[in-house]
Amino acid sequence: QAVVTQEPSLTVSPGGTVTLTCGSSTGGVTSGHYPYWIQQKPGQAPRTLIYDTTNKHSWTPARFSGSLLGGKAALTLSGAQPEDEAEYYCLVSYNSARFFGGGTKLTVL
Amino acid sequence: EVQLMESGGGLVQPGGFLRLSCAVSGFTLSTNAMTWVRQAPGKGLECVSVISGSGDTFYADSVKGRFTISRDNSGNTLSLLMETLRAEDTAVYYCVGHGAGSFWGQGTLVTVSS
Repeated sequence: QAVVTQEPSLTVSPGGTVTLTCGSSTGGVTSGHYPYWIQQKPGQAPRTLIYDTTNKHSWTPARFSGSLLGGKAALTLSGAQPEDEAEYYCLVSYNSARFFGGGTKLTVL
Repeated sequence: EVQLMESGGGLVQPGGFLRLSCAVSGFTLSTNAMTWVRQAPGKGLECVSVISGSGDTFYADSVKGRFTISRDNSGNTLSLLMETLRAEDTAVYYCVGHGAGSFWGQGTLVTVSS
C-alpha cells in the first residue's frame, strides 16, 4: 500500500504565508490522485478544506489554496490567522484505495 | 444541507463484533463514494474502507478479512461490520461522503477492551 508523506510540523507567523506539501511513495502526485486537504482542530471532527487538488468548499477561507508543486500536492495558506493553528492531513486516491498522510501540525506563532 | 450521523460505537471485548451505521441526508449514497476513516487516540487519520459509486470496495491491510463495508441505497445508510475486533481497533470512526467535495460525520467511539 502507498505511503503518503507530509512535513510533521511547520510554523508560520501571523499574517505570513506557508506551504504544506504531500508526496507519494509511488511517484509524483497528480490531479488523477484527486488530492484532498483536511483540517482538524483539537477536540473536533475533521473537515475538508480542499478537494480534487484545487476546489474549495463553501466554508473554506479564501486564504487557503490548493495546487500541484514539484510532483506533490500543496496547500498554501496566505495571511495566516491564529485560528488556522491545526493539524492538516492530505488524502490521496489510487483508484478505490485512499491513503492519508501522517499530518502536519501547523503552529501560528 | 449534507448531514452524516454515525452510530453503533461502544465498548466491546477483544474478538467481538460491532456494526457501525451512518445515516446520510442531503447526499445520494448510491452514486457517490463513501469512506470509513478512523482515528486512534492521539494518532492520525486512517482510511479503513471505501465503497465506490459503482460498488467497488477497498480495505486497509489492517482490517482486510475482518471488516465489511456495505450500503443500503433505499435507506441511505452506510454500514461497517467489524468482526474479530482487536485492541488496536480502538478509535473514533468517521463516515465520509465524497461528492462535490467531502463531508464528514461527527464520529463514533469504538473501544475494544476486556
